[in-house]
Amino acid sequence: NAGVMQNPRHLVRRRGQEARLRCSPMKGHSHVYWYRQLPEEGLKFMVYLQKENIIDESGMPKERFSAEFPKEGPSILRIQQVVRGDSAAYFCASSPSNPGTGENYGYTFGSGTRLTVV
Amino acid sequence: SQQGEEDPQALSIQEGENATMNCSYKTSINNLQWYRQNSGRGLVHLILIRSNEREKHSGRLRVTLDTSKKSSSLLITASRAADTASYFCATDRMDSSYKLIFGSGTRLLVRP
Repeated sequence: NAGVMQNPRHLVRRRGQEARLRCSPMKGHSHVYWYRQLPEEGLKFMVYLQKENIIDESGMPKERFSAEFPKEGPSILRIQQVVRGDSAAYFCASSPSNPGTGENYGYTFGSGTRLTVV
Repeated sequence: SQQGEEDPQALSIQEGENATMNCSYKTSINNLQWYRQNSGRGLVHLILIRSNEREKHSGRLRVTLDTSKKSSSLLITASRAADTASYFCATDRMDSSYKLIFGSGTRLLVRP
């Protein structure tokens, strides 16, 4: 059972290009979360999705950022017209249901995608 | 400011010594967790303590939680060079338990 798979691991984009980050949740997990980590900081919640639904996007910038989790395939975090301030590590996590129960909370994190905007 | 804030921001100790990190938070919580992150890598879940628990142990880790002070501490005993990493506390609020709120972390260096 592979863990949460994120790709690419590293992504370099020029200012103004689009960045697409992919996240395949653990098998059997239908809830996906995206977090962003700026250098020397903790992770910040961006968005919570279930299959074909955005449940909470309160942490996602209103402009240029979008996320989806289609019925088939991975979850995608899309950043249009990237700027230098978008450079960060983007982490995806998944859970089988609403977390908050169980000894490990039910959350599993991926290894992240490190986006560099040049 | 952040829901969770760790202190110290950075800690340097000798191998074999104990390392203590603290975390403070602001609102009522369901659980508090500690994660480890090696440089440039993902997060590893270490331990979860529920709001009705006061202390928890896992191997060389000991976590305490004081809900009256809204604070937690993580103690790593008999530290090893491999413990060198950043350590983050994360809380989830009662009104949005799926959303983890992370502090800015303590960067621990264990010198061999």
